[in-house]
Order: sequence, then C-alpha cells, then structure tokens
Amino acid sequence: GAVVSQHPSWVICKSGTSVKIECRSLDFQATTMFWYRQFPKQSLMLMATSNEGSKATYEQGVEKDKFLINHASLTLSTLTVTSAHPEDSSFYICSARGEGQSYEQYFGPGTRLTVT
Amino acid sequence: KQEVTQIPAALSVPEGENLVLNCSFTDSAIYNLQWFRQDPGKGLTSLLLIQSSQREQTSGRLNASLDKSSGRSTLYIAASQPGDSATYLCAAYHTGGFKTIFGAGTRLFVKA
Repeated sequence: GAVVSQHPSWVICKSGTSVKIECRSLDFQATTMFWYRQFPKQSLMLMATSNEGSKATYEQGVEKDKFLINHASLTLSTLTVTSAHPEDSSFYICSARGEGQSYEQYFGPGTRLTVT
Repeated sequence: KQEVTQIPAALSVPEGENLVLNCSFTDSAIYNLQWFRQDPGKGLTSLLLIQSSQREQTSGRLNASLDKSSGRSTLYIAASQPGDSATYLCAAYHTGGFKTIFGAGTRLFVKA
C-alpha cells in the first residue's frame, strides 16, 4: 500500500522557537495533503488542507501565521509551528491523497511535539 | 455540518468475545467511510475503507458495514484477542468541502 512518512517522529523545543515537520508520500504523488492535530485522549482535528502549488486552506480557529504549511511538490508538505508555546504541544499527523476514485487517505506515523 | 459519533467511548471485554463498535454520521453525503486503529502514542493504521456505493468490507476477523441512509457504520471484530486492544476511529470523507471528519474513537481493552 501507499506509504507516508513524517519527520521527525518526536521533537522537543523551547518556547518561542520554530519547528518544522515534514510529510512525504514515498511511492505516490499526493495532490492533496492534510494536517491534523490530536490532543491526548481526543480525536484528530483537521487543521488545514493543502494542494500542491497553492496556498493551504485552514480550518476555522487555526492561525495560518502560526502554522505555516507549504506543499511545494507532489511528494512533500511541511508544517512549521512558529513561535511555539507549551499549548502547541500535541501529536501532529499528516495524510496524503493521490489521484483516483477511492479518495482514500494514507496517514503518516505522526510527530509528537513537546514545547518546554 | 458533518458530525461523527462513536459509541461506546470505551469497552472492556474478555478474550474471545465477538464485539461491535458503532459509528454514526449526520450527513449521508460521503465519499467513503474508513476505520482506523490507533495504539497509544502511535499514528493511525487503516483497517477498512468502505466506498459510499458499498455495503461492507471484510479483512480477516474484521467486518465493517455501511448504511448511508441511516448514517451508520459498524465494525465487527470476531474472536477478540488482547492484541486488539487499541483505540478505534471511524472517519467519514464528506463531499461538502472534501474533508474527512473523525469520530472521537472507541477505546477497546481485551482482557486475557
């Protein structure tokens, strides 16, 4: 099946710094990628949808200047958490969807961010 | 606005039991519905994907059904094992806005 990777798998950063998370589709071209956030014992909340070569569409309540998303190629999307604060500590998961009728999404393994 | 609800929120069963997890969605305009498994601190593992035109999908001991008209899907797990312990999430891919909406999950614990 299709594989999506994320890097890093976990990161600890200091408050006020920025962190970049990469999401790659390894064996297919992802026309659309999605970024989700998951707080402990809660479900996944969609943060934004990005299409290759265009600006991301953010969900209501998600600060676009804080969570910068770049989908520069058909296999790579990045999420940069700028000026991180402890409340940004969460599990971030990306997913990718390629061409096709099934609209199946393939999920990455997730990145655990801890802001101290 | 699409909402996805999962019942029960948590479930504890002895090994060997057959069990059913429920998922309901408010808007039947979906492309597909997907069931995932998530182990603590880990990412998602896709279990089954049911297209909107399908009624069910099977994989091993797992069977998922979809009834769009009633806005419901069930995940049936046969002969449960301790290794099945995890959180099970259902997600509806909604045609409105092309978004996937997740339920809150059912935390399953299978006792040996």
